[in-house]
Amino acid sequence: EAGVVQSPRYKIIEKKQPVAFWCNPISGHNTLYWYLQNLGQGPELLIRYENEEAVDDSQLPKDRFSAERLKGVDSTLKIQPAELGDSAVYLCASSLGQFSGANVLTFGAGSRLTVL
Amino acid sequence: EDQVTQSPEALRLQEGESSSLNCSYTVSGLRGLFWYRQDPGKGPEFLFTLYSAGEEKEKERLKATLTKKESFLHITAPKPEDSATYLCAVQAGSWGKLQFGAGTQVVVTP
Repeated sequence: EAGVVQSPRYKIIEKKQPVAFWCNPISGHNTLYWYLQNLGQGPELLIRYENEEAVDDSQLPKDRFSAERLKGVDSTLKIQPAELGDSAVYLCASSLGQFSGANVLTFGAGSRLTVL
Repeated sequence: EDQVTQSPEALRLQEGESSSLNCSYTVSGLRGLFWYRQDPGKGPEFLFTLYSAGEEKEKERLKATLTKKESFLHITAPKPEDSATYLCAVQAGSWGKLQFGAGTQVVVTP
């Protein structure tokens, strides 16, 4: 079974440029998450989707970050414009959903962003 | 405010030298406590879920335990392949919202 797929794995951009990250979750997983992980820190939730609906985006900086999950499958996270402080690893994760019992997340390998 | 604190930040062990990692938490309405392993350049990988005080789970050389205020991850006779960052996360209140600690970086030398 394929895991959570993210692309690109690495991205280097100049500040003020836009960037987008793509995530394909595990088939059948209704819940999709985007996390941000800074060096030496644990992941921090940016946004959570239940199918197509964003049910928790309280930590998403909406002035420059946006996300979408069309058709309840793939998702895209966009930053425009990027700032130096956005350099981090962006992790996508998925899980079966609220009624599956244990909330076990499966993570992708992450997209490492460097803003120069 | 919910808090998750892991200690120590880093741990260096000789192969075969057993040790424990700590995860202390202050949350209201704990739904579950999770342990993940993260290798460099990879996403976290699920290890265990614990739901209630007194619960224990084991997997190979790892054993996780839970009390009302903290969880321990015991590593028995570690091998170099156990080198990784171990992350603790709690789920409280809203379903689906996991709060992670900063992790403990473990290095096991031959």
